Amino acid sequence: GNSVTQMEGPVTLSEEAFLTINCTYTATGYPSLFWYVQYPGEGLQLLLKATKADDKGSNKGFEATYRKETTSFHLEKGSVQVSDSAVYFCALTLETGGFKTIFGAGTRLFVKA
Amino acid sequence: DSGVTQTPKHLITATGQRVTLRCSPRSGDLSVYWYQQSLDQGLQFLIQYYNGEERAKGNILERFSAQQFPDLHSELNLSSLELGDSALYFCASSVVPSSGNRGEQFFGPGTRLTVL
Repeated sequence: GNSVTQMEGPVTLSEEAFLTINCTYTATGYPSLFWYVQYPGEGLQLLLKATKADDKGSNKGFEATYRKETTSFHLEKGSVQVSDSAVYFCALTLETGGFKTIFGAGTRLFVKA
Repeated sequence: DSGVTQTPKHLITATGQRVTLRCSPRSGDLSVYWYQQSLDQGLQFLIQYYNGEERAKGNILERFSAQQFPDLHSELNLSSLELGDSALYFCASSVVPSSGNRGEQFFGPGTRLTVL
């Protein structure tokens, strides 16, 4: 079946550290891939996306590359800030008679000053 | 602000009761999704509607039901409530189908349901 697997959290980093949150997926067909972020007390919001293999999504210093050969979409940021503390969700969307989205379990990130 | 509105923001009720959560999608979005987010289960997809019709079903209990009205707003009805139904309930909307966004969803701020 279709699924998304993220690294378990929480991830705790110091400010200005390098961030990687791993995400791998299983899907039939050609999904679009997304990272959503949920700040405390808020709903999810789209962080970045990639719609085909080798596409790189980027936003606010975060990047992720759609790797079809490894079925991965790892999230990276070169230098995290305290304000990046949030829960990050990897997701895929398949166009199967309508867009069906599957979310990963989420990874909580804590950034210490 | 995503453009998706949800009411109420908070809801406190007792076991056995019934509640209705309301969602208004972004202007122009035809598809509405409902999700349940709890501490132990993560984000669970419940159900999707597209232009008034049910499109996909996830882990939705039989005690729960939803509908999308002609003006495209949606309601999620939860009945015979149990303690374990306490969670955040999110609504999301998207333009479906669209060649541009490939399924991007816009989330509302959520309704926090507490069952005592």
